[in-house]
Amino acid sequence: GAVVSQHPSRVICKSGTSVKIECRSLDFQATTMFWYRQFPKQSLMLMATSNEGSKATYEQGVEKDKFLINHASLTLSTLTVTSAHPEDSSFYICSASDSGRVYEQYFGPGTRLTVT
Amino acid sequence: AQSVAQPEDQVNVAEGNPLTVKCTYSVSGNPYLFWYVQYPNRGLQFLLKYITGDNLVKGSYGFEAEFNKSQTSFHLKKPSALVSDSALYFCAVRDWDYGQNFVFGPGTRLSVLP
Repeated sequence: GAVVSQHPSRVICKSGTSVKIECRSLDFQATTMFWYRQFPKQSLMLMATSNEGSKATYEQGVEKDKFLINHASLTLSTLTVTSAHPEDSSFYICSASDSGRVYEQYFGPGTRLTVT
Repeated sequence: AQSVAQPEDQVNVAEGNPLTVKCTYSVSGNPYLFWYVQYPNRGLQFLLKYITGDNLVKGSYGFEAEFNKSQTSFHLKKPSALVSDSALYFCAVRDWDYGQNFVFGPGTRLSVLP
């Protein structure tokens, strides 16, 4: 149980375009979802936290107009990187928690974004 | 504020020998502590957690960790390392009194040599 999927696993896009990454909880209702960013050989940095049906809370330094997060249902959150640039190239990982086990986070497999 | 330190960037150990990956933390309230492992280009896999109760926690793949409140440590251990244990290990802490956010340590790369 507690499986989180991400789609796509890899994406290459051209500079200036937008990319959407989906995060789904497959067998539980995710009341809260988290989006992380990981640069090569570095730790995970929390970008934002989203609760179903409400606006995401962004961490300091994260541009909310560039990284659009939508958590429209209890099983789906999306991260849209708008007007992507090469410096946005990174590994993006989502996680989810449910109301029954709020102290746990279940992580997705990650999405490798490359902006050319 | 929460913080996690993993003092070693890299740990090398011979196959069959015991391994330890160190983690210390700082929280204002009660800590929830986690260990995750990451293989190249993959997400995080959960190994074990400490929430409450017994200070010695046993997890997946033969790993265990001991919560030491006085030393604010949560070191990961395994009695006999396997080459397949080679990966990146992250310690994470959540301060229950201050919301759901996890704070991750910088990671320790474990290399198990055959």
